[in-house]
Amino acid sequence: NAGVTQTPKFQVLKTGQSMTLQCAQDMNHEYMSWYRQDPGMGLRLIHYSVGAGITDQGEVPNGYNVSRSTTEDFPLRLLSAAPSQTSVYFCASSGRGVTGQGNEQYFGPGTRLTVT
Amino acid sequence: GQSLEQPSEVTAVEGAIVQINCTYQTSGFYGLSWYQQHDGGAPTFLSYNALDGLEETGRFSSFLSRSDSYGYLLLQELQMKDSASYFCAALTGGGNKLTFGTGTQLKVEL
Repeated sequence: NAGVTQTPKFQVLKTGQSMTLQCAQDMNHEYMSWYRQDPGMGLRLIHYSVGAGITDQGEVPNGYNVSRSTTEDFPLRLLSAAPSQTSVYFCASSGRGVTGQGNEQYFGPGTRLTVT
Repeated sequence: GQSLEQPSEVTAVEGAIVQINCTYQTSGFYGLSWYQQHDGGAPTFLSYNALDGLEETGRFSSFLSRSDSYGYLLLQELQMKDSASYFCAALTGGGNKLTFGTGTQLKVEL
């Protein structure tokens, strides 16, 4: 199993550009999520999905869109990039836990995004 | 809002025991998770406490007290490779949302 994969690993955007960060998992996990991590800080939840066709907002959803058309894929779209979105983005997935699905999450390697 | 507090840095010597504390203020609390992250790497899951008490996994143990809104991660027989950042994270939102603390950087010295 490849686990959770993310592409690209690095990306530089200009202010106002849009792009999609890709995330895929091959563990048949129902739960997937996106986080951003700024220097010296913890991770903040952007959006999550508890299954195909179901998404919900996390702590910092503004400026980002998601969709979940398949169990395997959960892309994150930046609509109009801003310097404040410079960050490391992590995708994660989780199987069904005892309570909810966000318990034990497996993280991808991350995408390092710079917006100039 | 949700908030979790951890010490920013802890230093210990190889072979020692270290405890990393976490206090939280959240609503709809389900449980407390711990993650390890090496520099430049992705977080990796260490443990999860849904009930009060101690959970042991090899050299790592995690404790939760719901009445005190407090938990800790205990690392025994420290090794150099344990030098990393450690995050506590509260599970809320019907068990679907993780809120992370700002992390504790552990430095293991010879």
